[in-house]
Amino acid sequence: SQQGEEDPQALSIQEGENATMNCSYKTSINNLQWYRQNSGRGLVHLILIRSNEREKHSGRLRVTLDTSKKSSSLLITASRAADTASYFCATDDNAGNMLTFGGGTRLMVKP
Amino acid sequence: DAGITQSPRHKVTETGTPVTLRCHQTENHRYMYWYRQDPGHGLRLIHYSYGVKDTDKGEVSDGYSVSRSKTEDFLLTLESATSSQTSVYFCATSASGGGEQFFGPGTRLTVL
Repeated sequence: SQQGEEDPQALSIQEGENATMNCSYKTSINNLQWYRQNSGRGLVHLILIRSNEREKHSGRLRVTLDTSKKSSSLLITASRAADTASYFCATDDNAGNMLTFGGGTRLMVKP
Repeated sequence: DAGITQSPRHKVTETGTPVTLRCHQTENHRYMYWYRQDPGHGLRLIHYSYGVKDTDKGEVSDGYSVSRSKTEDFLLTLESATSSQTSVYFCATSASGGGEQFFGPGTRLTVL
């Protein structure tokens, strides 16, 4: 079963709007990561937030982590058509050997 | 980009035939992973390796075996392919087990 679950499963917005995706997980983590996947391509790492961090920024990306609620959110500000992709959260296992990925959010940004 | 290649990129095979997918990396990463991606199931871990000759099972390992005889290469074998193994297979590498992973371009496998 998936450790992380993204919400919503699909999101459609206009260019320039902000996009928010949420991820919930079940067990304790050392870190949580977000990845992006363009259609037909491999996943690309976006950002990693450690369990002792609450917020992290990278360019137009803002990630928050609430370990008490076992949830994270990814905010993409001022979205562009090129942001159209699927976005996945991933959490590590306690042994630090692997990641478990959620089912993803499909984001469509309309020009 | 991390130098990760997968071969073949596309393969069509028949039920019952053996299939081997290869992942090659030039980053000298210790960890390597095989995932499958199917609609409605996201990305699921098949097997992973934490060093040469050191491998372990993932969430969906039944029907698959792996081998890693050198750091650069991680092979995924379907001993007797079934239609349920039709999927897109991704290889990934990581310098540390729970850290950032770098993905290959994927192999689309169709089992008829």
